[in-house]
Amino acid sequence: EDQVTQSPEALRLQEGESSSLNCSYTVSGLRGLFWYRQDPGKGPEFLFTLYSAGEEKEKERLKATLTKKESFLHITAPKPEDSATYLCAVQAANNFNKFYFGSGTKLNVKP
Amino acid sequence: NAGVTQTPKFQVLKTGQSMTLQCAQDMNHEYMSWYRQDPGMGLRLIHYSVGAGITDQGEVPNGYNVSRSTTEDFPLRLLSAAPSQTSVYFCASTRTSGHAGYNEQFFGPGTRLTVL
Repeated sequence: EDQVTQSPEALRLQEGESSSLNCSYTVSGLRGLFWYRQDPGKGPEFLFTLYSAGEEKEKERLKATLTKKESFLHITAPKPEDSATYLCAVQAANNFNKFYFGSGTKLNVKP
Repeated sequence: NAGVTQTPKFQVLKTGQSMTLQCAQDMNHEYMSWYRQDPGMGLRLIHYSVGAGITDQGEVPNGYNVSRSTTEDFPLRLLSAAPSQTSVYFCASTRTSGHAGYNEQFFGPGTRLTVL
C-alpha cells in the first residue's frame, strides 16, 4: 500500500536555526515526490517536484533532496515568515492519477 | 487569471441535507481533483477527473458524487450529509509535464464544512 509519513509532526525553531523535515514513503515505483507549503486557512502552495534519487531542488532558504526511501526539506537560517505547515506527497508510477499526502510538519520559527 | 476558485468558503449543514461544493479553474488543466483535510490525517483524495466526461474514485469516495461536463468545472456533491463529513475540502487542478506526466497541483482556498 502506498504510504507517506512525515516527521516531526511539529518543529519549533529560533530564527536562524537551521533544521530538516523528513518525508518517508513506500510506493510501488515513484513517479514524483512533491513538497507543498500550507498557511493557516489557505490551500497548499507548490514548492518542489523531485523525480529520482539524488535529485536536489532549491528555493531561497529551502532545499529538497530525495533518496530511494525518503525526502528531506532542509531549511537554512529560517525566518518567522517560513512558519507554516509543510506537506509531502507522492505519485506512484503504476497509478499516476492518484497523489498520496503525508499529514505534514507544522513549523514555527520564533524571532 | 483567477487560478482555482471554490464556493462557498463556509457551510453548515444538518444531517441528511445535500449540497454541492463548486470548483472552477481557468488554466485549461485537464486533471482536477477533490481532497478532504482532517486534523492529523493530511489530505485524502475523494474523486478525480482526467478530463471532461471522465471521473474516477480516490481513497475516500463514499458519500460523494462528482461530474465533469466542462474542462473548467468540477463540482462535488454530498448526497446525504453526515457528521463524519465535517472537514475542509480542497479542489485542485494539475497541469501536465512533459517530463513525468501530472505535475504540480494548484489548490483552491478551500471550503470549511460543518455537518450537525
